[in-house]
Amino acid sequence: AQKITQTQPGMFVQEKEAVTLDCTYDTSDPSYGLFWYKQPSSGEMIFLIYQGSYDQQNATEGRYSLNFQKARKSANLVISASQLGDSAMYFCAMREGEDSSYKLIFGSGTRLLVRP
Amino acid sequence: DVKVTQSSRYLVKRTGEKVFLECVQDMDHENMFWYRQDPGLGLRLIYFSYDVKMKEKGDIPEGYSVSREKKERFSLILESASTNQTSMYLCASRRGLAKNIQYFGAGTRLSVL
Repeated sequence: AQKITQTQPGMFVQEKEAVTLDCTYDTSDPSYGLFWYKQPSSGEMIFLIYQGSYDQQNATEGRYSLNFQKARKSANLVISASQLGDSAMYFCAMREGEDSSYKLIFGSGTRLLVRP
Repeated sequence: DVKVTQSSRYLVKRTGEKVFLECVQDMDHENMFWYRQDPGLGLRLIYFSYDVKMKEKGDIPEGYSVSREKKERFSLILESASTNQTSMYLCASRRGLAKNIQYFGAGTRLSVL
């Protein structure tokens, strides 16, 4: 079974509007963390936001926020006020456990295109 | 700023050649990783290393080997390149604590002809 599922291969959003990118995960470990990365056409993966399983509040970083619904095992990324520079691939990833040598598990990604 | 540098952005090699992909990080990170990225498949882990001279297989190690002689450098080796190894290769590094961010290089797009 997929550990990280991103069901939207591609999405469009109008500039200045908000957009939600979906991510669901599957784990039986009570301690885990969820990451979102952005990959522009240049190729480099850029860290956006992190949510730990024990964090009481949803993570926010500037225009990025994470809608964390633990019971539903979802960790959707919300981008507010979209900009043209937000056009990129977005990956959701998960770590399981607290071991320092953990491996990140990635979803298949969502390509976001921001329309002017 | 953390910097993860991959030696080449683009490489074209012939089937059967031995290929070296080099990765250097400047933040004294313990953990280093090599991923392969293919459309629709996300990032798949090839090998990782959590210390000098230590290595562990990831999800798709077949056809690859790695070397970590110094803490800052992690090399991916294709002993005999094949066309199905044409892909984007991403190196990453991370400090040893669980909640730390994993930093990536810009990637090497390898074509094997």
